Amino acid sequence: GAGVSQSPSNKVTEKGKDVELRCDPISGHTALYWYRQSLGQGLEFLIYFQGNSAPDKSGLPSDRFSAERTGGSVSTLTIQRTQQEDSAVYLCASRFQGGGVHNEQFFGPGTRLTVL
Amino acid sequence: GDSVTQMEGPVTLSEEAFLTINCTYTATGYPSLFWYVQYPGEGLQLLLKATKADDKGSNKGFEATYRKETTSFHLEKGSVQVSDSAVYFCALDAGGTSYGKLTFGQGTILTVHP
Repeated sequence: GAGVSQSPSNKVTEKGKDVELRCDPISGHTALYWYRQSLGQGLEFLIYFQGNSAPDKSGLPSDRFSAERTGGSVSTLTIQRTQQEDSAVYLCASRFQGGGVHNEQFFGPGTRLTVL
Repeated sequence: GDSVTQMEGPVTLSEEAFLTINCTYTATGYPSLFWYVQYPGEGLQLLLKATKADDKGSNKGFEATYRKETTSFHLEKGSVQVSDSAVYFCALDAGGTSYGKLTFGQGTILTVHP
C-alpha cells in the first residue's frame, strides 16, 4: 500500500517568505509526527498529532512554526518569515496507535527546505 | 530531559568486518529503544527495537540488547556488507505523555568497502 508522502520534495525560498509543507499519512494511522533533520541539530521532534486531541507542540522552535491536521488526515507545517537557520529536511511520520502494542512509525521521504 | 548519545562517526569498515555502534541514553521511567537506518537517497526505516530491559532486537543480521543497568543499546553485526552502508540512528520513546515521540541520537555514518 501507499506509504507516507510529502510535498514538495524540495523547496527553495527567500529569507522572510512563508512556506507550507504537506504530509499525507498512511490511511488509518491516527498519530502523525513532524521532525526536522539538520546538520547542526540532528533529528529533532517538532510536533505530534493524535486523533482529535490537542497537538503536542513542545518541539516547535519558535512561534514562526505552526502545524495543523485537517480531518485527522493530511497535515501542513507552516513556517512564517523563514530564516536561513530553518534550512533542513522536514520529515513526517505516521503510526497506527492502538492495540496496546508499540507500533512502528513510518517516515516519509522528507521535504528539503533551503532558505537563501 | 531525555537524550540519546551515539558514538561519533564516520565509521569505515571492510566487508565482513564486525560492527559495533555504541548508543547510550538518559530517560526517566522505562523507555522503548530503537535503531533506525537511512540508506542513501531513501527515507528513515525502522531496523530493530526493544521495548523492555534485557530484550534483544534483531533484523537483517543486526542485533541490539536493551541494557538498563548501563543505559545502553549498542548495535552489532557480525559481518557487514557493502549494502549496509547507511546512516544509523539510535532513538528512544520515553512513553507516558510523550508516547510515540522519538528522541534521536546524532546518527552514525557507516561506509563499508569491498
